Amino acid sequence: SQQGEEDPQALSIQEGENATMNCSYKTSINNLQWYRQNSGRGLVHLILIRSNEREKHSGRLRVTLDTSKKSSSLLITASRAADTASYFCATVSNTGTASKLTFGTGTRLQVTL
Amino acid sequence: GAVVSQHPSWVICKSGTSVKIECRSLDFQATTMFWYRQFPKQSLMLMATSNEGSKATYEQGVEKDKFLINHASLTLSTLTVTSAHPEDSSFYICRTPGLGDNEQFFGPGTRLTVL
Repeated sequence: SQQGEEDPQALSIQEGENATMNCSYKTSINNLQWYRQNSGRGLVHLILIRSNEREKHSGRLRVTLDTSKKSSSLLITASRAADTASYFCATVSNTGTASKLTFGTGTRLQVTL
Repeated sequence: GAVVSQHPSWVICKSGTSVKIECRSLDFQATTMFWYRQFPKQSLMLMATSNEGSKATYEQGVEKDKFLINHASLTLSTLTVTSAHPEDSSFYICRTPGLGDNEQFFGPGTRLTVL
């Protein structure tokens, strides 16, 4: 399987704390994306980092990418209860046609008041 | 951005029946559609890739005769779960890529429960 691994599988923090999720993958990639999924709902695209980038920011999100270690991390700062969701990394390999997304195993984040 | 709709949003059926899930791109020509399955508390697993006007490509371990995919037009792709069994109960999501890597249009998903 080409699926990436994420850790932790589950994370419970209090509002205001930072949450860090890690993703490891196996193959060479074009870019890596992070998604959020609220329970039983569709996916929301959060951020994309290209293979030649090392760090990217978007609001309270910070993503790093280490292609030598085939790993990425997502940091959510100053978490809020509304951040409670599952977070997935997804890698994009250049298949020559439409981009194929391969999802990681996901991290379930619970932010409590 | 483009909107992708799925119908139905949820369905409950008896074992042995067939269920058709529709995925429509409302304002975008979806040349390619990816179909995913997600079991509870698990990740999305790619089932198949369909291209408009041609046969779908199935991932290893996915039965093409059980999961029939039709992509007859640029705005509609369908997934039919034939002779559904309780183990087919899952969340099914379609996705069509946009013009760039940043553009990924997901359907809202269909929750299938087979009794």
